Amino acid sequence: ELKVEQNPLFLSMQEGKNYTIYCNYSTTSDRLYWYRQDPGKSLESLFVLLSNGAVKQEGRLMASLDTKARLSTLHITAAVHDLSATYFCAVEEYKLSFGAGTTVTVRA
Amino acid sequence: DARVTQTPRHKVTEMGQEVTMRCQPILGHNTVFWYRQTMMQGLELLAYFRNRAPLDDSGMPKDRFSAEMPDATLATLKIQPSEPRDSAVYFCASGLYARSYEQYFGPGTRLTVT
Repeated sequence: ELKVEQNPLFLSMQEGKNYTIYCNYSTTSDRLYWYRQDPGKSLESLFVLLSNGAVKQEGRLMASLDTKARLSTLHITAAVHDLSATYFCAVEEYKLSFGAGTTVTVRA
Repeated sequence: DARVTQTPRHKVTEMGQEVTMRCQPILGHNTVFWYRQTMMQGLELLAYFRNRAPLDDSGMPKDRFSAEMPDATLATLKIQPSEPRDSAVYFCASGLYARSYEQYFGPGTRLTVT
């Protein structure tokens, strides 16, 4: 059974500092997705990573994929309050399997 | 702006009642997913369809849940009879299975069973 593990599960960030969320998975898939969910809202697609070494950036967020290590990272640069949300990674193997999510809170 | 729509957005019902949730996928998408999200279990895949055919419903309690796609513009998830443990947010997502499984999520149906 495919396992997708995110850590940390909870992350308190200070505004202006940099942080990383890790997503480890147990399959050889080379397709990984990152989603964001605001409280009480739906999931919004952030990044689609479709090959080893893929790197995508949008604003203060950058995602990368290392299929050999079975690891994806979501890097947050100079955190701001607007980034407070829960972030999910999901790995594709016939279907998507989601991690438990990382709840991010950005404080002043 | 193409979006997945779901109805109803909120549903409160009594235990034992039938609940039907509806989803309209994005036009042209050929894959539809039903998820359930709870604090305890997180996001669980219940079932999914491609080209209206059910591909996997292993995540669904078969005795009380059923999922169908009567046509390409409508997917339904039915619970009969409902139980308090079914209280959750149910999301529908759709995607175009071409090169990736990127999914677009609907707003969800928040179900409360008392």
